[in-house]
Amino acid sequence: AQSVTQLGSHVSVSEGALVLLRCNYSSSVPPYLFWYVQYPNQGLQLLLKYTSAATLVKGINGFEAEFKKSETSFHLTKPSAHMSDAAEYFCALAYSGAGSYQLTFGKGTKLSVIP
Amino acid sequence: DAGITQSPRYKITETGRQVTLMCHQTWSHSYMFWYRQDLGHGLRLIYYSAAADITDKGEVPDGYVVSRSKTENFPLTLESATRSQTSVYFCATWDRVGHEQYFGPGTRLTVT
Repeated sequence: AQSVTQLGSHVSVSEGALVLLRCNYSSSVPPYLFWYVQYPNQGLQLLLKYTSAATLVKGINGFEAEFKKSETSFHLTKPSAHMSDAAEYFCALAYSGAGSYQLTFGKGTKLSVIP
Repeated sequence: DAGITQSPRYKITETGRQVTLMCHQTWSHSYMFWYRQDLGHGLRLIYYSAAADITDKGEVPDGYVVSRSKTENFPLTLESATRSQTSVYFCATWDRVGHEQYFGPGTRLTVT
């Protein structure tokens, strides 16, 4: 079965500090991995995606993530947090099985940025 | 406008009533999905569709019905709404070429 685990439902960082949001996955087939951001009362916006090309993926707003197969991880990082990064972040895994595509989402990590 | 639209954006209904949430896409993506989002649960898949007239259950299908007579539309019906179905509902499509899921803006449903 495919699954995604986000470690930490709530992460707080100071403005200017490193942002690290953790995501571990379980998949029996090569996965596609995604990070989405959701601002209050809005839909989900794609930050970045891994589709079996480069293992270090750069996304929008200065975020990046590294696919580590040996650790089954896809952690999201940003060198310097900005107040506008405060939002909820979701890690997701997509897989193809039995002729269909499905996505599985983690439960989300709410990022707070302290001025 | 290209993309995914959902209607209504906000809906209040009473327990026991039938309500239909609409989803329309302009890309002709074959895959479409319905999710519900609740605090502490993230996004949970209700139903998905691989093509017109092909639908399948997701993680939490009970109490919901879907249909897909046309590629661009994927309505979700709550046959007899319950308070536990109060949630934010997101429709999405899957781009098989770009390997990316696109989300609609969501419908906030309150069942009183």
